[in-house]
Amino acid sequence: DAKTTQPTSMDCAEGRAANLPCNHSTISGNEYVYWYRQIHSQGPQYIIHGLKNNETNEMASLIITEDRKSSTLILPHATLRDTAVYYCIVRVAGTTDSWGKLQFGAGTQVVVTP
Amino acid sequence: DAGVIQSPRHEVTEMGQEVTLRCKPISGHDYLFWYRQTMMRGLELLIYFNNNVPIDDSGMPEDRFSAKMPNASFSTLKIQPSEPRDSAVYFCASSFTSGSKNIQYFGAGTRLSVL
Repeated sequence: DAKTTQPTSMDCAEGRAANLPCNHSTISGNEYVYWYRQIHSQGPQYIIHGLKNNETNEMASLIITEDRKSSTLILPHATLRDTAVYYCIVRVAGTTDSWGKLQFGAGTQVVVTP
Repeated sequence: DAGVIQSPRHEVTEMGQEVTLRCKPISGHDYLFWYRQTMMRGLELLIYFNNNVPIDDSGMPEDRFSAKMPNASFSTLKIQPSEPRDSAVYFCASSFTSGSKNIQYFGAGTRLSVL
């Protein structure tokens, strides 16, 4: 699976949009971009995933560049509860051998301030 | 559904003792994963099962670690004998096969301290 690069940390004001970048310049055509987050003392939580189209759900939006070498997770209206470590993960879908593996990097520590 | 249930939430033991961590996956899920998280190494996949069969145990650190899944609703991770460097938070996660999706649902974790 392709490696990802994320900023170590970022701050965001409550109520504002948080834009979390992720670089995955070696991504292959069959690799998806997944985002998880981990709130302190909890297990990681799935947020969203996509292949090449932009995606939106109740938690966030995922914007993937046309060349798929980078993506941005957008939390539209950050709240204090969004303070967490956010992980960007690239992985192959549908391959039995590697299907189960999620390789977590260091992620981005996001702090939402009042 | 109650989600992935792990027990105990906290475990304190002495070096050399056997430790057993338990996990109940979400009903209907066919994949189960064991992860370990430390400050130094982050979140690492130890082993995962598909339909109760171990698929990849390459992340298991050494022979002192073993994992079993006797049925679809229960799995254990055992450390024998335990060592202080095994101190970490151990997470269990489960997921189900659904096309391209690989949404893993994590438990609350077991915080292990080996003295």
